[in-house]
Formats: sequence, C-alpha cells, structure tokens
Amino acid sequence: QVHLVQAGAEVKKPGASVKVSCKASGYPFSSYLFNWVRQARGQGLEWMGWINPNSGDTGYAQKFRDRVTITRDTSINTAYMELSSLTSEDTAVYYCARGPEYCRGGWCHPDGSFDVWGQGTMVIVSS
Amino acid sequence: DIQMTQSPSSLSASVGDRVTITCQASQDISNFLNWFQQKSGKAPNLLIHDASNLQTGVPSRFSGSGSGTHFTLTISSLKPEDIATYYCQQYDNLPLTFGGGTKVEIK
Repeated sequence: QVHLVQAGAEVKKPGASVKVSCKASGYPFSSYLFNWVRQARGQGLEWMGWINPNSGDTGYAQKFRDRVTITRDTSINTAYMELSSLTSEDTAVYYCARGPEYCRGGWCHPDGSFDVWGQGTMVIVSS
Repeated sequence: DIQMTQSPSSLSASVGDRVTITCQASQDISNFLNWFQQKSGKAPNLLIHDASNLQTGVPSRFSGSGSGTHFTLTISSLKPEDIATYYCQQYDNLPLTFGGGTKVEIK
C-alpha cells in the first residue's frame, strides 16, 4: 500500500525554524514529485512548493521563497520541508502530497493531481 | 497568481439532492483543474483531475465539467458521507492555487 507518513506535532517559538518530514512507502520514491500544502485552522489550502526527488529540483511559491527549503533523502525515501523565521501566522497543519510532473514546452512543474497525502503535521508557533 | 473563486461558500442540501459547486478562474486555465474533497480533520482526497476525469475509486455520483475559466463539480445524489469541504485547484501556472472551499452540509 502507498503511504506518506509525517512526523508528529511541533511547537516552536516565534523566530525559530521547523523541519517537517514525510516518509514514503509502497511505491518507487523517485517516480512522483513531493508537494507541500498548508492549512491554517478553519482556513483553506495553500500550496508552498515542490521537489523532484529524482533530480532534487525544487520550486517555491513566491510567498514562501525566502523562508522555505524543501529537500529529500533518497536513502530513506523521505522528503522534508523546513520553514524559518516562524510567526504565529505559520501556525497550521502542514501536508505533504505526491503528484505527477507536468511538462509543457520544455518547462516542467507539478501537476496538481495529488493522489496520496500524508496525514498532516500540526505546527504551533507560540511564545 | 491565478485566483480561483468558488461558490457558494457553503450549502445545505437533503440526502438525494443534486448538488452543484462552481469554480471560476481569473484567467483561462484550459482544463488544468482538479477537485478535492476534505472531510473534517482529514487530509484532502482527489476526486476529479483535468476538470472531468474521475479519480480511480471515486463514486460515479461525482462528476466535473468545464474549461477555460468556468468549472463545476456535481454530486448527482447527495449521500450523508459526502459531508465535507470541496476545493478546486488550478495547475495551469505556478503557484498552484486553490479555491476558498465549499462546505456541504445535510439539511
């Protein structure tokens, strides 16, 4: 069975960083992109960025570009999302999701058809 | 960024009703549109990809249509297990963007 398993909840102080993990199993790790999506309590879904686990190529939403780093460790089939300079507005559930790559005219980016999601990691930013 | 506007933001319908949710894109996105269902406390679940293609395992009472800037998600006969929030999402251009969601409740 295909699974994405995320680490447990994190509590951080303002100004700190958080690194959330997402371990894949049940399929070839490099065959899908990893995406990160967050959701503040009672709010909608917000896409943050992606990584190609095969090449290591990444892309980030402009909103997060200065603060987010997405990496992967192919030896343990795990992707990571690190967010720095946390504020209370970063309090949210963070999801990883796998999805295919869409290529058009030599430009490739995530196809948003996220068919498998992690269970989410709650990140609380509080002093 | 491409803005995705869903309507209504919430609706209440009876079991067996036909339910329609609309999603409007701020620019032409062809058919690069997906629909997700999110039940309370759970991760989203992909229902429809590429505007009208039913994801494997999703009940046939769900359907999607549209292209360009106007899209719809239809539940042909509402069931109690369809209580959830539904989101559209475009992937024509980065950043990927979601609509604000439509909360579906049982009357």
